[in-house]
Amino acid sequence: AQTVTQSQPEMSVQEAETVTLSCTYDTSENNYYLFWYKQPPSRQMILVIRQEAYKQQNATENRFSVNFQKAAKSFSLKISDSQLGDTAMYFCAFMKSWLDGSGAGSYQLTFGKGTKLSVIP
Amino acid sequence: DAGITQSPRHKVTETGTPVTLRCHQTENHRYMYWYRQDPGHGLRLIHYSYGVKDTDKGEVSDGYSVSRSKTEDFLLTLESATSSQTSVYFCAISESRGSGYEQYFGPGTRLTVT
Repeated sequence: AQTVTQSQPEMSVQEAETVTLSCTYDTSENNYYLFWYKQPPSRQMILVIRQEAYKQQNATENRFSVNFQKAAKSFSLKISDSQLGDTAMYFCAFMKSWLDGSGAGSYQLTFGKGTKLSVIP
Repeated sequence: DAGITQSPRHKVTETGTPVTLRCHQTENHRYMYWYRQDPGHGLRLIHYSYGVKDTDKGEVSDGYSVSRSKTEDFLLTLESATSSQTSVYFCAISESRGSGYEQYFGPGTRLTVT
């Protein structure tokens, strides 16, 4: 079974500064995907960024980027130029895909417990 | 927006009563999931479906059942609700994007069992 660990329950950052959220995971799989989701106070789960394990290049999406270290099983999220709207819970998630006997895939997610990020004006 | 709706959005029920939550999607996705979110636990998978009438258990399936009689609807049933099932329930779909799959979530249902 996979486990995902987010060691920072809460963090804060000044508006316009940069912050990095940590995530580590444990798996014996070689092919998988990693994700960061954002959950603002509205409760909606929003996909922020995705990283394929077979890609060495780190994923970026506008102000969001990741530092993926496969050997260390580390997947951190960097938010640049933090904005008040970035205030939210952030969840790291792992996806393994496999085929069961029927040939169907699963693509289920295993989540970390989350990091609550507060952006301070 | 992956066209996912959940109903009801909020529900209060009494211990021992049956409860059914509905997830509806409009884009013909094959894979659908039910998660629960509790403080200190993140989201945990309850059940998932990989096609009509094809379902399987997740990490926290005890006390829950699911059904999928048509592609667009995935129902989660609590046969006899308990206070430990007070939670926020999220439905999700998996969608192929580029070289992999991504999951998109519905707005959630807050269930309180008194």
